[in-house]
Amino acid sequence: DIQMTQSPSSLSASVGDRVTITCRASQSISSYLNWYQQKPGKAPKLLIYGASSLQSGVPSRFSGSGSGTDFTLTISSLQPEDFATYYCQQSYNTLPYTFGQGTKLEI
Amino acid sequence: QITLKESGPTLVKPTQTLTLTCTLSGFSRSTSTVGVGWIRQPPGKALEWLALLYWTGDERYSPSLNSRLTITRDTSKNQVVLTMTNVDPVDTATYYCAHTTGGRFFDFWGQGTLVTVSS
Repeated sequence: DIQMTQSPSSLSASVGDRVTITCRASQSISSYLNWYQQKPGKAPKLLIYGASSLQSGVPSRFSGSGSGTDFTLTISSLQPEDFATYYCQQSYNTLPYTFGQGTKLEI
Repeated sequence: QITLKESGPTLVKPTQTLTLTCTLSGFSRSTSTVGVGWIRQPPGKALEWLALLYWTGDERYSPSLNSRLTITRDTSKNQVVLTMTNVDPVDTATYYCAHTTGGRFFDFWGQGTLVTVSS
């Protein structure tokens, strides 16, 4: 399986901060990287697909970048509703399409 | 608007077979790359990709669980069914079904259903 490692595992930030979360793949996955946001007791929500494409309806303060093995999710100005856990997921050619361990973003 | 809803037992005994149903609405059946996947999340842990079924009938499974999983569909009911055999307490998790176009990412998710495996 392709291993996905996120850093940090948890992060404290404030409203208005610029935040970056990193995801590293154990082998090259081209741009087959997705980001999800999950709030407690809720299903994940797709934010970014294909490393940098913003899902419809997702605020533009969210952006993704990277290719190969190293990827980032950036939130340009944190809003109160952004405090959640974020997961990356690779969808390269090898099954399963593994997820990272998650990054919990806290106040 | 695409919606999905999972249904099934909340408690299953070890060694039994778990059957979960995902009922969809609002999706396009005419697109060959439309599919439904199953993902699970043990309490307090990360997400795990389990299986994917394209609406054409093509199936994909996580290699580590392949021998225990079967994914099927009932097109007349717009349902996708996941069967997991020989369950163990480590299979305790919230099970989600999710919609995909193309199979690479999940754009719509069900609310999830918590399944506990315990005697």
